[in-house]
Amino acid sequence: QKEVEQNSGPLSVPEGAIASLNCTYSDRVSQSFFWYRQYSGKSPELIMSIYSNGDKEDGRFTAQLNKASQYVSLLIRDSQPSDSATYLCAVNGNSGYALNFGKGTSLLVTP
Amino acid sequence: KAGVTQTPRYLIKTRGQQVTLSCSPISGHRSVSWYQQTPGQGLQFLFEYFSETQRNKGNFPGRFSGRQFSNSRSEMNVSTLELGDSALYLCASMGETDTQYFGPGTRLTVL
Repeated sequence: QKEVEQNSGPLSVPEGAIASLNCTYSDRVSQSFFWYRQYSGKSPELIMSIYSNGDKEDGRFTAQLNKASQYVSLLIRDSQPSDSATYLCAVNGNSGYALNFGKGTSLLVTP
Repeated sequence: KAGVTQTPRYLIKTRGQQVTLSCSPISGHRSVSWYQQTPGQGLQFLFEYFSETQRNKGNFPGRFSGRQFSNSRSEMNVSTLELGDSALYLCASMGETDTQYFGPGTRLTVL
């Protein structure tokens, strides 16, 4: 079973702080990694994709990938209450385009 | 470009019935994947279609089936509904990259 693990949270951070979300995966041949945001009652919305080791920045979001440690993270700088949502880590392995999702981390940004 | 559309948005069925859900991908996208989301299991891959062919299949019983038409629109069918089939069914559209974009989902309730 190819696993993607996330801490379910809730992760609570004050407004303006950095939120750090983590994800580990078990399939060593995984090639593509995605972060989605899902608001309650809505569908997942893509935040970022990352394919190579290192950091990838997009606005307030930074994804970090370490394939040797099988670890991917998402940093949200200057967190806003509107960032309060569930963040899903998804991994695409070597078996076609089926995404394997973690259960998600619930983030709460308090004013 | 218009996003992924799914119909219907909500469905209520009784056990033993069957249901058909529809998905129209982003214009130009030829791949459509289906996922089931439940509170207990999270997001799970059902199957993926590309150019009218099922390219990948998840670990779901044969009651779950799908198809794709020449215009890339896809349908999934669930026969002999069970209470445990109550879930949010999500369709994802993929173009030339391996990034998947989700539709709003169909909320299925089985009574």
